[in-house]
Amino acid sequence: GIQVEQSPPDLILQEGANSTLRCNFSDSVNNLQWFHQNPWGQLINLFYIPSGTKQNGRLSATTVATERYSLLYISSSQTTDSGVYFCAVGSSYKLIFGSGTRLLVRP
Amino acid sequence: GAVVSQHPSWVICKSGTSVKIECRSLDFQATTMFWYRQFPKQSLMLMATSNEGSKATYEQGVEKDKFLINHASLTLSTLTVTSAHPEDSSFYICSARIAGSYNEQFFGPGTRLTVL
Repeated sequence: GIQVEQSPPDLILQEGANSTLRCNFSDSVNNLQWFHQNPWGQLINLFYIPSGTKQNGRLSATTVATERYSLLYISSSQTTDSGVYFCAVGSSYKLIFGSGTRLLVRP
Repeated sequence: GAVVSQHPSWVICKSGTSVKIECRSLDFQATTMFWYRQFPKQSLMLMATSNEGSKATYEQGVEKDKFLINHASLTLSTLTVTSAHPEDSSFYICSARIAGSYNEQFFGPGTRLTVL
C-alpha cells in the first residue's frame, strides 16, 4: 500500500515565525488532504490539494504530484496554530494518514 | 457547509457491554462514510468503509463481528462496538464523502470511548 511520511515529527516555533511541513508519499494519488487536529481531537480540513498550489490566509500548500510530495507553509505563526498537522493521501476513496507533525507555537 | 456530527462525544461503559456511535452528515448526502480509530499520540487508522445500503468493507485486521457498521441512509452511519473490552478504549472518528463529488473527506469531531 501507499506509504506516507511526514517531517519534521516535532516543531517548536516562536510566535510570528514561519514554517514548512513536508509530506512524502510512495505512489500516485488522486487525493491529498492536509488537516489540523486541535486539542479536542477535531480534524479541521485545511486543504484538498492532489496537485497544484492553494492559499488560505496565512496558510498555503503545494503538491508536486510527479515528485510525490506536498508542502504546507505556515506564515506568521500564532499560538492557536499549535496542534498536530496530518497529511493524508489516497488513490481510491480511502485515505492513508501520515504520522503527523506536532507543532507548538510559543508566545 | 460539509458538516459531520458524531454522537456521543464521549462514553464510558463497563466491560462486556455494547456501545453505538452515530455519524451524521448534516448538510449533504454521503454515499460513502469511513470509520477511523486513533490511539493517544498516534495517527488515524482506517477501520472500515461504509456504503449506503450495502455491507461495510473492513480493513485487514479489523474484526467485523466486533465492530458492526450500518449505513442505512445517505446521512447516517453507525458503529457498534460489541462486547467492549478495555483494549477497545480509543478515539473513534468518522468521515464522509459528498455524494457525486470528488474525493475530499470531511470529519466528525470524534467519540472518546473508555471501557472499564
